Amino acid sequence: DTGVSQDPRHKITKRGQNVTFRCDPISEHNRLYWYRQTLGQGPEFLTYFQNEAQLEKSRLLSDRFSAERPKGSFSTLEIQRTEQGDSAMYLCASSLRDRDTDTQYFGPGTRLTVL
Amino acid sequence: AQTVTQSQPEMSVQEAETVTLSCTYDTSESDYYLFWYKQPPSRQMILVIRQEAYKQQNATENRFSVNFQKAAKSFSLKISDSQLGDAAMYFCAYRLLFTGTASKLTFGTGTRLQVTL
Repeated sequence: DTGVSQDPRHKITKRGQNVTFRCDPISEHNRLYWYRQTLGQGPEFLTYFQNEAQLEKSRLLSDRFSAERPKGSFSTLEIQRTEQGDSAMYLCASSLRDRDTDTQYFGPGTRLTVL
Repeated sequence: AQTVTQSQPEMSVQEAETVTLSCTYDTSESDYYLFWYKQPPSRQMILVIRQEAYKQQNATENRFSVNFQKAAKSFSLKISDSQLGDAAMYFCAYRLLFTGTASKLTFGTGTRLQVTL
């Protein structure tokens, strides 16, 4: 078990450009979550998937944000027309739906800097 | 809406000593989970300890233990015999009890713990 992985680890882009991040969950986990963490704050929920279905989206997820999990395995988070306010750490987590706690395990994050 | 408050932005402890990090939360629900996560500098967040609200017994994991006061909506983390590797940002988090649909984590703003020699 290699844990949750995210790619890239760092991304610097210019305002107005599009960016895409990838998350690979723990292999048997059927739930995948995206969070955003700004400096000095705790992570804030963006969206989550159960298998390939996107079941909940936060109000933080504006129309410029889109997430997919096409085959119920890896997920991508795309931000279109980036703004400086999008600069943050984007965290991915995964969990296994079972009768236990559905504990979420986090990846290392992708740090986005919008110039 | 549920909220989680960590009123201590920074704490410091000497190696081998004990430190307690505070967390309070607000919810109208009766069944939920509480978590403490640790985020070392430039490293990923890892789960430290978990508490089910329906359990009266406080959770313990080696040197880490919690003091869960449901009526007061308080959930503090005690770290005993502090080690240099405990230095990190600690986040308290809340989640509704698993009911068949996934539930997001709601985090506090974190407490940065420094461990000194």
